[in-house]
Amino acid sequence: GQSLEQPSEVTAVEGAIVQINCTYQTSGFYGLSWYQQHDGGAPTFLSYNALDGLEETGRFSSFLSRSDSYGYLLLQELQMKDSASYFCAVIMDSNYQLIWGAGTKLIIKP
Amino acid sequence: GAVVSQHPSWVICKSGTSVKIECRSLDFQATTMFWYRQFPKQSLMLMATSNEGSKATYEQGVEKDKFLINHASLTLSTLTVTSAHPEDSSFYICSARPRGLADWSSYNEQFFGPGTRLTVL
Repeated sequence: GQSLEQPSEVTAVEGAIVQINCTYQTSGFYGLSWYQQHDGGAPTFLSYNALDGLEETGRFSSFLSRSDSYGYLLLQELQMKDSASYFCAVIMDSNYQLIWGAGTKLIIKP
Repeated sequence: GAVVSQHPSWVICKSGTSVKIECRSLDFQATTMFWYRQFPKQSLMLMATSNEGSKATYEQGVEKDKFLINHASLTLSTLTVTSAHPEDSSFYICSARPRGLADWSSYNEQFFGPGTRLTVL
């Protein structure tokens, strides 16, 4: 079967740095995406890694190691508005179907 | 950027009735649209993949006769929940993959609609 593992909840302080890990076991792999979802809202795209290494987009960075079937999302200079759920998702095939992790709820304290 | 709309944003219906949810790509053509459902505090579950002009591909465990999907044009896909029951109450989200994605977006594989919250009484 397909599975993605990520922590259910992470707590951090405003202004700090937090890393959300994701490990995956899937029959196919085109890339790893990260999405942010606020309560009651739809997912919004954050980043995508198809190759090993670090991708940086402003305060957010994402890392992928295909040999380890592992990736992480790094959020820097945390702001209260970053409180949300973060999902890793594997692109399975050329039809771009996404298999989703269960999500990590990020709680930010002042 | 690419915008996807959903209508209605929320709906309350009686058990046994049917509900249609529309998903539109507003400023791009979408060869593929995906339908998801999400229960509170849970992940998105892919229900079906819809390609324009062809029958939808349903994921295992999703009843195709209950969740009717029509992708009649490159900008519109509809999901009809037939004979809805309280257990069908959920957050339904669509996403669309632009035609010719590689031409202008290497990273955004899918663009999501705002979701439709369905409550069946």
